[in-house]
Parts: sequence; structure tokens; C-alpha cells
Amino acid sequence: DQQVKQNSPSLSVQEGRISILNCDYTNSMFDYFLWYKKYPAEGPTFLISISSIKDKNEDGRFTVFLNKSAKHLSLHIVPSQPGDSAVYFCAASARYGGSQGNLIFGKGTKLSVKP
Amino acid sequence: NAGVTQTPKFQVLKTGQSMTLQCAQDMNHNSMYWYRQDPGMGLRLIYYSASEGTTDKGEVPNGYNVSRLNKREFSLRLESAAPSQTSVYFCASRTIQTGNYGYTFGSGTRLTVV
Repeated sequence: DQQVKQNSPSLSVQEGRISILNCDYTNSMFDYFLWYKKYPAEGPTFLISISSIKDKNEDGRFTVFLNKSAKHLSLHIVPSQPGDSAVYFCAASARYGGSQGNLIFGKGTKLSVKP
Repeated sequence: NAGVTQTPKFQVLKTGQSMTLQCAQDMNHNSMYWYRQDPGMGLRLIYYSASEGTTDKGEVPNGYNVSRLNKREFSLRLESAAPSQTSVYFCASRTIQTGNYGYTFGSGTRLTVV
């Protein structure tokens, strides 16, 4: 049973527009959420995170929104650039749960930003 | 540069052969992880080591063994490779003492079993 779901396998946007990547989770024990970016033939790299005590976190062009009641988070990229084309993984952690706080990953969304 | 180093980067095995994937980190992290990435399946945890001297199974441990050799090194062994183990394998590490719960990943090992 998937605890972290990214229901859109792919997303295509025009350069300069907003990219919105979505993620849903089922485990109410999750209290820390992260987004990773992965280019082909490279390992995933950390992008941005948010604690469950917040509902928004910004870092430059990247903003993550958390809606705990809906168990939903989203990553906004504004403006989108061709270099943002990559696979984006959503991840969640129950820091004080029995799983040692290990990250649980979604299946990823492949973002393509067209010039 | 500080980070997670995986060797080899590529490997082709015949069914039934064995091999060990090596991983080393130089960030003094306590915890280390092995994931596999398959198309449409995301990143799935194989084994992890929360601290030196401990190892635990993850979501997909069957067919694999691990050794936490010391704080720096965490190896993954395939005793008898099967085509279903064709995948990209990522090692990762972290320390939560800094309050950062994110992982640092290596660049991966692409394994093909024929």
C-alpha cells in the first residue's frame, strides 16, 4: 500500500510558466516532507523540505505547500526553466515513529519544461 | 569533494553470479541506506543501517545482504543474481543530529542481470 503517492507520472510546461507537482500521503504520522530532484544518470538531490508545523516554505523559485487536513503537498516552480526538466520525488518521514524516521518516496513525476 | 561514493557505476552479471556493491561516505553520517530504482516504481528501500553495527530490512530485502563495515562503509551483496534484480541502485546517508532529515545520495550503480 503506497503511503506516498504522486499520481502524475509526467508534466509538461512552457518555459516561464508555473510548474505544480502534487503529492498525497496516507500516514498521519508523517511530520516532515521533502522534495528531491533527479537528473538522468545522477543520484537524487535534495531540493526543499517542510515540517508539519508549517504550511509553506520558500526557497527562491521553489515553494512547497502543505495541507495537513487533506494530506496533500505541492511543489511550485516559478518561473519554470528548461534546466528544471528532471524527475521530482516527493518523500515523507515520521521522525518520531517506529520506522527510524526513514524516508518513504513516491514514484516520481517527470517534469519537462519546453523552451 | 565530500559526499557518497558508489562503485562500480555499471555492472553486467550473468544469472547466478554474485557481486558486492560498495558505498562509502565521508560526511561522518550515522545512517546509511540502499535503495533500488525501477521504472514506474520510484525509490524502494532494500536495507538500512541506522548506526554503525546495526542493519535492518527495508521494503524489498529478498535476494540481498548488507554489511556495515564501519561508520563510512555500507556494502550490498547479491549472492545469486536474478534478472529481477536488474535495476539502478542508490546508496544514501544522513545524520539527524543537525536537524536535517534529508538524505545525501550517491550517483548510483546501474546493474544488468542477463
